[in-house]
Amino acid sequence: DIQMTQSPSSVSASVGDRVTITCRASQGIGTWLAWYQQKPGKAPDLLIFSASTLQSGVPSRFSGSGSGTQFTLSISSLQPEDFATYYCQQSSSFPNTFGQGTRLEIK
Amino acid sequence: QVQLQESGPGLVKPSETLILTCTVSLGSISNNYWSWIRQSPGKGLEWIGNVYFSGSTNYNPSLKSRVTISLDTSKNQFSLKLRSVTGPDTAVYYCASSHTLLRGAMGSWGQGTLVTVSS
Repeated sequence: DIQMTQSPSSVSASVGDRVTITCRASQGIGTWLAWYQQKPGKAPDLLIFSASTLQSGVPSRFSGSGSGTQFTLSISSLQPEDFATYYCQQSSSFPNTFGQGTRLEIK
Repeated sequence: QVQLQESGPGLVKPSETLILTCTVSLGSISNNYWSWIRQSPGKGLEWIGNVYFSGSTNYNPSLKSRVTISLDTSKNQFSLKLRSVTGPDTAVYYCASSHTLLRGAMGSWGQGTLVTVSS
């Protein structure tokens, strides 16, 4: 299985800050990577697919980059509704695997 | 965008079979992978497996011996069977869809259903 490792596991930030979350794959996955946002008690929402393509309806303050084994999710100017847990997921091979999650908290 | 809704029992006894159904609305079964994902309380996401609209399946090796995912196109539903459940199978179970254009990313999710394994 391909292991996905996110860092940091949690981060505290303020409204208006820029935040970057990193996801590392244990082997190359090209750009077969997605990012999700999950709020408590809710299903995950797709933010980005193919490493850098914004899902329809997702605000442009979210962006993704990377290929191979290193990927980043950036939020350019945090809004109150962005405080949530973020997961990366590889779909290069089965079984698909997720990172352990990054909890974004209000400072 | 497709809408998904899970249904099934919220409580299953140890050693029994968990059966969940996901009903698909506002969309086509075609050109999609139909997946099951679970999340243990306070934990991360675990991919269980999927079925392609053609009927082919892929499973997580950690669960493969106990899992069957199937598609019923006549009812616009797909289902999960997990045999011989134990306490660690307690989780919120989500169904999700991935159109082939999303390259494996899951664009639509059900709201999730909590399944507790307990006698």
